Amino acid sequence: DIQMTQSPASLSASLGETVTIECRASEDIYNGLAWYQQKPGKSPQLLIYNANSLHTGVPSRFSGSGSGTQYSLKINSLQSEDVASYFCQQYYDYPWTFGGGTKLELK
Amino acid sequence: EVKLLESGGGLVQPGGSLRLSCAASGFTFTDFYMSWIRQPPGKAPEWLGVIRNKANGYTTEYNPSVKGRFTISRDNTQNILYLQMNTLRAEDTAIYYCARVLYGSYPDYWGQGVMVTVSS
Repeated sequence: DIQMTQSPASLSASLGETVTIECRASEDIYNGLAWYQQKPGKSPQLLIYNANSLHTGVPSRFSGSGSGTQYSLKINSLQSEDVASYFCQQYYDYPWTFGGGTKLELK
Repeated sequence: EVKLLESGGGLVQPGGSLRLSCAASGFTFTDFYMSWIRQPPGKAPEWLGVIRNKANGYTTEYNPSVKGRFTISRDNTQNILYLQMNTLRAEDTAIYYCARVLYGSYPDYWGQGVMVTVSS
Protein backbone atom coordinates (compact mmCIF):
# COMPACT_ATOMS: atom_id res chain seq x y z
CA ASP A 1 0.00 0.00 0.00
CA ILE A 2 1.10 3.59 -0.61
CA GLN A 3 1.52 5.40 2.70
CA MET A 4 0.49 9.06 2.88
CA THR A 5 2.22 11.12 5.56
CA GLN A 6 0.55 14.45 6.22
CA SER A 7 1.97 17.35 8.22
CA PRO A 8 1.43 19.12 10.44
CA ALA A 9 -1.21 17.21 12.41
CA SER A 10 -2.54 20.48 13.75
CA LEU A 11 -2.09 24.10 12.82
CA SER A 12 -3.09 27.39 14.39
CA ALA A 13 -3.19 30.49 12.17
CA SER A 14 -4.60 34.00 12.13
CA LEU A 15 -7.23 35.43 9.80
CA GLY A 16 -5.65 36.66 6.58
CA GLU A 17 -2.59 34.45 7.01
CA THR A 18 -1.34 32.00 4.40
CA VAL A 19 -1.11 28.37 5.52
CA THR A 20 0.47 25.35 3.88
CA ILE A 21 -0.22 21.68 4.53
CA GLU A 22 2.13 19.01 3.25
CA CYS A 23 1.56 15.44 2.14
CA ARG A 24 4.29 12.95 1.33
CA ALA A 25 3.68 9.67 -0.47
CA SER A 26 5.79 6.57 0.12
CA GLU A 27 6.29 6.29 -3.66
CA ASP A 28 5.66 8.33 -6.78
CA ILE A 29 1.91 8.86 -7.23
CA TYR A 30 2.19 10.82 -10.49
CA ASN A 31 -0.13 13.65 -9.37
CA GLY A 32 -2.92 11.23 -8.46
CA LEU A 33 -3.76 13.25 -5.38
CA ALA A 34 -6.85 14.93 -3.98
CA TRP A 35 -7.37 17.27 -1.04
CA TYR A 36 -10.54 17.35 1.05
CA GLN A 37 -11.92 19.72 3.65
CA GLN A 38 -14.06 18.35 6.48
CA LYS A 39 -15.95 20.51 8.93
CA PRO A 40 -17.15 19.02 12.25
CA GLY A 41 -20.11 16.71 11.81
CA LYS A 42 -19.99 16.98 8.02
CA SER A 43 -18.73 14.77 5.22
CA PRO A 44 -15.48 15.60 3.40
CA GLN A 45 -15.71 18.05 0.51
CA LEU A 46 -13.39 17.87 -2.49
CA LEU A 47 -11.09 20.88 -2.89
CA ILE A 48 -8.32 19.82 -5.28
CA TYR A 49 -7.85 16.90 -7.69
CA ASN A 50 -4.94 15.83 -9.89
CA ALA A 51 -2.73 17.57 -7.33
CA ASN A 52 -3.36 21.10 -8.63
CA SER A 53 -6.84 21.35 -10.21
CA LEU A 54 -9.48 23.30 -8.31
CA HIS A 55 -12.84 21.54 -7.93
CA THR A 56 -15.94 23.40 -9.11
CA GLY A 57 -17.09 26.07 -6.69
CA VAL A 58 -13.98 26.01 -4.49
CA PRO A 59 -12.63 29.49 -3.69
CA SER A 60 -9.47 30.48 -5.54
CA ARG A 61 -7.60 31.07 -2.27
CA PHE A 62 -7.13 27.29 -2.20
CA SER A 63 -4.37 25.87 -4.38
CA GLY A 64 -2.49 22.62 -4.73
CA SER A 65 0.98 21.88 -5.99
CA GLY A 66 3.65 19.23 -6.03
CA SER A 67 4.83 16.22 -7.96
CA GLY A 68 6.39 12.83 -7.42
CA THR A 69 6.08 12.08 -3.74
CA GLN A 70 5.70 15.61 -2.32
CA TYR A 71 2.49 17.63 -2.44
CA SER A 72 1.06 20.64 -0.69
CA LEU A 73 -2.19 22.50 -0.15
CA LYS A 74 -1.99 26.26 0.30
CA ILE A 75 -4.72 28.49 1.67
CA ASN A 76 -4.19 32.19 0.98
CA SER A 77 -5.78 34.85 3.15
CA LEU A 78 -7.28 32.48 5.72
CA GLN A 79 -10.99 32.99 6.39
CA SER A 80 -12.99 31.92 9.45
CA GLU A 81 -14.93 29.41 7.34
CA ASP A 82 -11.67 27.60 6.55
CA VAL A 83 -11.49 26.22 10.09
CA ALA A 84 -11.73 22.50 9.43
CA SER A 85 -9.73 19.31 9.06
CA TYR A 86 -7.95 18.66 5.78
CA PHE A 87 -7.03 15.30 4.28
CA CYS A 88 -4.95 14.29 1.31
CA GLN A 89 -5.77 11.11 -0.62
CA GLN A 90 -3.88 9.25 -3.33
CA TYR A 91 -5.79 7.51 -6.09
CA TYR A 92 -2.83 6.52 -8.24
CA ASP A 93 -2.98 2.92 -7.06
CA TYR A 94 -5.31 0.62 -5.14
CA PRO A 95 -5.94 0.62 -2.27
CA TRP A 96 -6.58 4.35 -2.27
CA THR A 97 -5.10 5.79 0.91
CA PHE A 98 -5.54 8.93 2.97
CA GLY A 99 -3.18 11.06 4.99
CA GLY A 100 -3.70 11.31 8.73
CA GLY A 101 -5.25 14.76 8.49
CA THR A 102 -4.49 18.32 9.56
CA LYS A 103 -6.73 20.15 11.99
CA LEU A 104 -6.71 23.87 11.24
CA GLU A 105 -7.74 26.28 13.97
CA LEU A 106 -7.79 30.06 14.35
CA LYS A 107 -5.18 31.68 16.52
CA GLU B 1 -27.85 18.33 -7.88
CA VAL B 2 -25.88 15.25 -6.85
CA LYS B 3 -27.43 13.56 -3.82
CA LEU B 4 -26.18 10.50 -1.98
CA LEU B 5 -28.17 9.23 1.01
CA GLU B 6 -26.87 6.35 3.10
CA SER B 7 -29.04 4.17 5.32
CA GLY B 8 -28.93 0.90 7.22
CA GLY B 9 -26.47 1.76 9.96
CA GLY B 10 -26.87 1.01 13.63
CA LEU B 11 -25.66 -1.17 16.48
CA VAL B 12 -24.58 -4.72 15.69
CA GLN B 13 -22.91 -7.39 17.80
CA PRO B 14 -19.40 -8.65 16.99
CA GLY B 15 -19.59 -11.37 14.38
CA GLY B 16 -22.82 -10.00 13.00
CA SER B 17 -23.74 -8.68 9.56
CA LEU B 18 -25.17 -5.46 8.23
CA ARG B 19 -26.07 -4.14 4.80
CA LEU B 20 -25.75 -0.45 4.04
CA SER B 21 -27.56 1.26 1.19
CA CYS B 22 -26.82 4.49 -0.64
CA ALA B 23 -29.55 6.05 -2.75
CA ALA B 24 -28.12 8.16 -5.55
CA SER B 25 -29.81 10.90 -7.57
CA GLY B 26 -28.97 13.90 -9.71
CA PHE B 27 -26.66 12.09 -12.12
CA THR B 28 -26.61 9.12 -14.51
CA PHE B 29 -25.77 6.39 -12.01
CA THR B 30 -24.50 3.83 -14.52
CA ASP B 31 -21.90 6.26 -15.89
CA PHE B 32 -20.00 6.47 -12.62
CA TYR B 33 -17.77 4.37 -10.43
CA MET B 34 -19.05 4.38 -6.85
CA SER B 35 -17.07 3.88 -3.66
CA TRP B 36 -17.46 3.21 0.06
CA ILE B 37 -15.23 4.98 2.56
CA ARG B 38 -15.36 4.82 6.34
CA GLN B 39 -14.08 7.08 9.07
CA PRO B 40 -13.72 6.09 12.72
CA PRO B 41 -14.68 9.05 14.94
CA GLY B 42 -11.77 11.48 15.21
CA LYS B 43 -9.61 9.59 12.71
CA ALA B 44 -8.74 9.74 9.03
CA PRO B 45 -10.95 8.18 6.36
CA GLU B 46 -10.24 4.67 5.08
CA TRP B 47 -11.16 3.65 1.54
CA LEU B 48 -13.03 0.32 1.49
CA GLY B 49 -13.58 -0.34 -2.17
CA VAL B 50 -15.00 0.72 -5.51
CA ILE B 51 -17.43 -0.68 -8.06
CA ARG B 52 -16.86 0.41 -11.63
CA ASN B 53 -19.40 1.78 -14.09
CA LYS B 54 -21.33 0.08 -16.88
CA ALA B 55 -18.58 0.72 -19.43
CA ASN B 56 -16.16 -1.18 -17.21
CA GLY B 57 -18.43 -4.07 -16.41
CA TYR B 58 -19.33 -3.13 -12.83
CA THR B 59 -16.20 -4.87 -11.56
CA THR B 60 -14.91 -4.26 -8.05
CA GLU B 61 -11.72 -3.48 -6.15
CA TYR B 62 -11.36 -3.80 -2.39
CA ASN B 63 -9.04 -2.68 0.33
CA PRO B 64 -7.21 -5.81 1.55
CA SER B 65 -8.24 -4.80 5.09
CA VAL B 66 -11.85 -5.76 4.33
CA LYS B 67 -11.58 -8.05 1.30
CA GLY B 68 -13.50 -11.26 1.87
CA ARG B 69 -15.72 -9.74 4.57
CA PHE B 70 -17.22 -6.77 2.73
CA THR B 71 -18.98 -6.83 -0.66
CA ILE B 72 -19.95 -3.86 -2.79
CA SER B 73 -22.82 -4.15 -5.25
CA ARG B 74 -25.20 -1.87 -7.09
CA ASP B 75 -28.79 -1.90 -8.32
CA ASN B 76 -28.64 0.09 -11.51
CA THR B 77 -32.41 0.07 -12.02
CA GLN B 78 -33.05 1.78 -8.69
CA ASN B 79 -29.77 3.75 -8.48
CA ILE B 80 -28.75 2.19 -5.18
CA LEU B 81 -25.26 1.27 -4.00
CA TYR B 82 -24.85 -1.44 -1.37
CA LEU B 83 -22.22 -2.49 1.14
CA GLN B 84 -22.68 -5.94 2.65
CA MET B 85 -20.58 -6.31 5.78
CA ASN B 86 -20.05 -9.70 7.40
CA THR B 87 -18.17 -10.97 10.46
CA LEU B 88 -18.12 -7.49 11.93
CA ARG B 89 -15.52 -6.53 14.52
CA ALA B 90 -15.25 -3.72 17.05
CA GLU B 91 -12.67 -2.02 14.81
CA ASP B 92 -15.29 -1.71 12.05
CA THR B 93 -17.05 0.93 14.17
CA ALA B 94 -17.08 4.07 12.05
CA ILE B 95 -19.12 6.48 9.98
CA TYR B 96 -19.62 4.90 6.55
CA TYR B 97 -19.82 7.11 3.49
CA CYS B 98 -20.72 6.35 -0.08
CA ALA B 99 -19.09 8.52 -2.69
CA ARG B 100 -19.35 9.14 -6.40
CA VAL B 101 -16.06 8.69 -8.21
CA LEU B 102 -15.22 11.02 -11.08
CA TYR B 103 -13.39 9.69 -14.16
CA GLY B 104 -12.81 6.48 -12.23
CA SER B 105 -10.23 8.35 -10.22
CA TYR B 106 -11.27 10.36 -7.19
CA PRO B 107 -14.38 10.75 -5.04
CA ASP B 108 -15.99 14.08 -5.89
CA TYR B 109 -19.22 13.89 -3.87
CA TRP B 110 -19.77 12.12 -0.56
CA GLY B 111 -23.00 11.26 1.22
CA GLN B 112 -23.74 12.50 4.71
CA GLY B 113 -22.63 9.21 6.21
CA VAL B 114 -24.21 6.57 8.44
CA MET B 115 -22.89 5.35 11.78
CA VAL B 116 -22.12 1.70 12.37
CA THR B 117 -21.29 0.59 15.90
CA VAL B 118 -20.03 -2.92 16.56
CA SER B 119 -20.39 -3.74 20.23
CA SER B 120 -21.85 -6.33 22.55
